Amino acid sequence: EVQLVQSGAEVKKPGESLKISCQGSGYSFSLYWIGWVRQMPGKGLEWMGIIYPGDSDTKYSPSFRGQVTISADKSITTAYLQWSSLKASDTATYYCARRFVSRTSTSLLYYMDVWGNGTTVTVSS
Amino acid sequence: EIVLTQSPGTLSLSPGERATLSCRASQSVSSSFLAWYQQKPGQAPRLLIYGASSRATGIPDRFSGSGSGTDFTLTISRLEPEDFAVYYCQQAGTSPPWDFTFGPGTTVDIK
Repeated sequence: EVQLVQSGAEVKKPGESLKISCQGSGYSFSLYWIGWVRQMPGKGLEWMGIIYPGDSDTKYSPSFRGQVTISADKSITTAYLQWSSLKASDTATYYCARRFVSRTSTSLLYYMDVWGNGTTVTVSS
Repeated sequence: EIVLTQSPGTLSLSPGERATLSCRASQSVSSSFLAWYQQKPGQAPRLLIYGASSRATGIPDRFSGSGSGTDFTLTISRLEPEDFAVYYCQQAGTSPPWDFTFGPGTTVDIK
């Protein structure tokens, strides 16, 4: 079974650092892009960025570039999202998701097919 | 950067009714890159539709997707109690290829 399992909830103070994880299993982790998505309390989904674990090629949404760092360690099939200095506005649930590509006779189809269980991050003094 | 707009913001319907959700893009999106997700409270999003019209594994056939260019639609033919949720459209990499923007979502709630 293809799964993405995320690390547990975190409570942090403003200014602290944090690294959350997303471990994949049941598939060739290195071969599929992993994206990160933020959901602030009561709000919608925001795409943050995406990484290819095979070579750690990383792309960021302009809204999140410089605010977070996405990384991966393919040897332990894990992707990471980290902050160097948290703010109260980072309070949210963060999801990882696998980008899948399927092929038809005429085109390639792209979508996020498997999602992690989410990590809730609370930043409060 | 492509912006997705969803309407209505909230759809209040009764079980058994038909739901029609709209997703409009600020510029043309390849159908290959348009997906729909369902999210229930306290749960991760779940893939419903990909390639604008293909149902994901295990998704009932009361869910259907259509559209092309800048206008896409998710239709739920007859609402079941478990279908009351928030629905998001996403363009998965039209331009730039690593842009996976979501729409703001449509809430389908019980009337």
